[in-house]
Amino acid sequence: GIQVEQSPPDLILQEGANSTLRCNFSDSVNNLQWFHQNPWGQLINLFYIPSGTKQNGRLSATTVATERYSLLYISSSQTTDSGVYFCAVANQAGTALIFGKGTTLSVSS
Amino acid sequence: GAGVSQSPSNKVTEKGKDVELRCDPISGHTALYWYRQSLGQGLEFLIYFQGNSAPDKSGLPSDRFSAERTGGSVSTLTIQRTQQEDSAVYLCASSSLVFNQPQHFGDGTRLSIL
Repeated sequence: GIQVEQSPPDLILQEGANSTLRCNFSDSVNNLQWFHQNPWGQLINLFYIPSGTKQNGRLSATTVATERYSLLYISSSQTTDSGVYFCAVANQAGTALIFGKGTTLSVSS
Repeated sequence: GAGVSQSPSNKVTEKGKDVELRCDPISGHTALYWYRQSLGQGLEFLIYFQGNSAPDKSGLPSDRFSAERTGGSVSTLTIQRTQQEDSAVYLCASSSLVFNQPQHFGDGTRLSIL
């Protein structure tokens, strides 16, 4: 099945810093999503981005499907950005999301 | 409702008891998914529903786990004879179509088996 690898596993930032999170996947995909899991455990949709580039405020994401990777950019980080960021891709049948292990981000003031 | 609703939010039960977890998807979403998040295993797929049928049950870990969906809406995940390794957060998601549509997640049910 599809393998999803995220890097780095952990990231510690000072407030105001920028960061890039990476997601590599082992096969072509039709669905790729980025999620933020906040300290309360809620999974928040950030982007649905099987290809191309999207931006939402301080966050943006780019997926290069032909090279099987996606990047999540966080600019001017804030303490509320802390949590775990997951990348997930759909399996070939489109019936399930396969999640990476996540990047744990800690932003301190 | 506005989002995916799950109940209960927390459940503590004794080993060997049966538990039922409920998911109410976003109105109009035909696809419904159950996932489990545990410390050692990360986020794992359990089962997928399209309408009331479950064409993909490949993630159910054992025959103690079952799920049903009625009226193309509410789904119930049942765990029989619970074991301590069943302790996890159980997450439900829904989407409007199978392919090329984002999945939206509920807040989960945190299940603790004593």
